[in-house]
Amino acid sequence: NAGVTQTPKFQVLKTGQSMTLQCAQDMNHEYMSWYRQDPGMGLRLIHYSVGAGITDQGEVPNGYNVSRSTTEDFPLRLLSAAPSQTSVYFCASSRKGLAGGSYTDTQYFGPGTRLTVL
Amino acid sequence: RKEVEQDPGPFNVPEGATVAFNCTYSNSASQSFFWYRQDCRKEPKLLMSVYSSGNEDGRFTAQLNRASQYISLLIRDSKLSDSATYLCVVHNTGGFKTIFGAGTRLFVKA
Repeated sequence: NAGVTQTPKFQVLKTGQSMTLQCAQDMNHEYMSWYRQDPGMGLRLIHYSVGAGITDQGEVPNGYNVSRSTTEDFPLRLLSAAPSQTSVYFCASSRKGLAGGSYTDTQYFGPGTRLTVL
Repeated sequence: RKEVEQDPGPFNVPEGATVAFNCTYSNSASQSFFWYRQDCRKEPKLLMSVYSSGNEDGRFTAQLNRASQYISLLIRDSKLSDSATYLCVVHNTGGFKTIFGAGTRLFVKA
């Protein structure tokens, strides 16, 4: 299994450009999510999906769109890039399960995309 | 106030030392708790889940105190390879809301 893959690894955009960050997983996980990580702030949830055809907003959704047409793929679209979107973007997938008597959902992360918006 | 708070460190310890990290969370309805490890410029990876009764995995021990709403991670006999950022993670089931702390940086020195 490749796990969670993300492309590209690095990207530089100019303000106003649009682009799509790709994410795919081959573990048949129902849940997929996008996070951004900024220095000193931890990972913040952008959008998530609990299954094909179902998406919802996370903590910081503005400026981003997602779709989930298949279980495997969950692309993140930047509509009009802004310097404030300079960050490291991580895609993650998970499947709910039981462990130790409690629900748990280990998240598996892709290697990240480092995006700079000039 | 952040929903999940951690001491950012850095913690600088010699090899063989015992080090403890604490994390506090504000939502009393939180149901799942984890520690993730993140190496420099890499993705986070699950270190261990945290159970109500406390749990141990080799040199690592995690504790949960629901009454005081804090989670701890104890690392015994620190190794150079333990140098990383440790992320406290809280999940609120029933809304798929996962909150990451900003992380605690650990440096283990020879």
